[in-house]
Amino acid sequence: DIEMTQSPSSLSASVGDRVTITCRASQTISSFLNWYRQKPGKAPELLIYASSSLHSGVPSRFSGSGSGTDFTLTISTLQPEDFATYYCQQSQTTPSFGQGTRLEIK
Amino acid sequence: EVELVESGGGLVHPGGSLRLSCVVSGFTFSNYVMSWVRQAPGKGLEWVSSISSSSSTIYYADSVKGRFTISRDNAYNSLHLQMNGLRAEDTAVYYCVRRLYYYAAFDYQEGSYFDYWGRGTLVTVSS
Repeated sequence: DIEMTQSPSSLSASVGDRVTITCRASQTISSFLNWYRQKPGKAPELLIYASSSLHSGVPSRFSGSGSGTDFTLTISTLQPEDFATYYCQQSQTTPSFGQGTRLEIK
Repeated sequence: EVELVESGGGLVHPGGSLRLSCVVSGFTFSNYVMSWVRQAPGKGLEWVSSISSSSSTIYYADSVKGRFTISRDNAYNSLHLQMNGLRAEDTAVYYCVRRLYYYAAFDYQEGSYFDYWGRGTLVTVSS
């Protein structure tokens, strides 16, 4: 099984900040990496698929990059609704998720 | 508008059974692979099972293999998860999810992602 590790596990930031979250796979997964945002008490929502493709309707402040084992999610200008938990997920093999990164208001 | 509505969650004793259902609207259900993903309280996401559009191909996570059975009824736009031999560690919110595949030409391989999620139904396994 492929293990996904996110860093940091939590971070604090302010509205308007630029933030980056990292995801590392335990073995190469090419670009088969997706990102989700989960607001408190809600279901996850897809942000990015195939490492860098923006899902329909997702604001352009979200971007993804990486291939192989190392990936990043960047939010260029934080909005109030972005304070949530973010998960990466690989689809190279049986789906597996990272442990999550909790983004809190500073 | 796409909607996935789960039902069937509740409190069950260890060793007991429960059947979850999900009714879908807003897209042609019979064309898509469907999945269940769960989330234990305060924890991360865990893929549970997937079923192909025609039910010909089914996958399970090792943690539920032999205890859970996924099925679908395309005539009624519904997805089900029969859960037997429930354990405390099965306690979670269970999400019904559409799984979309795409072809990555650079890799000669298919990738996938979970694009539509229901609101979830809570299963609690406790004595």
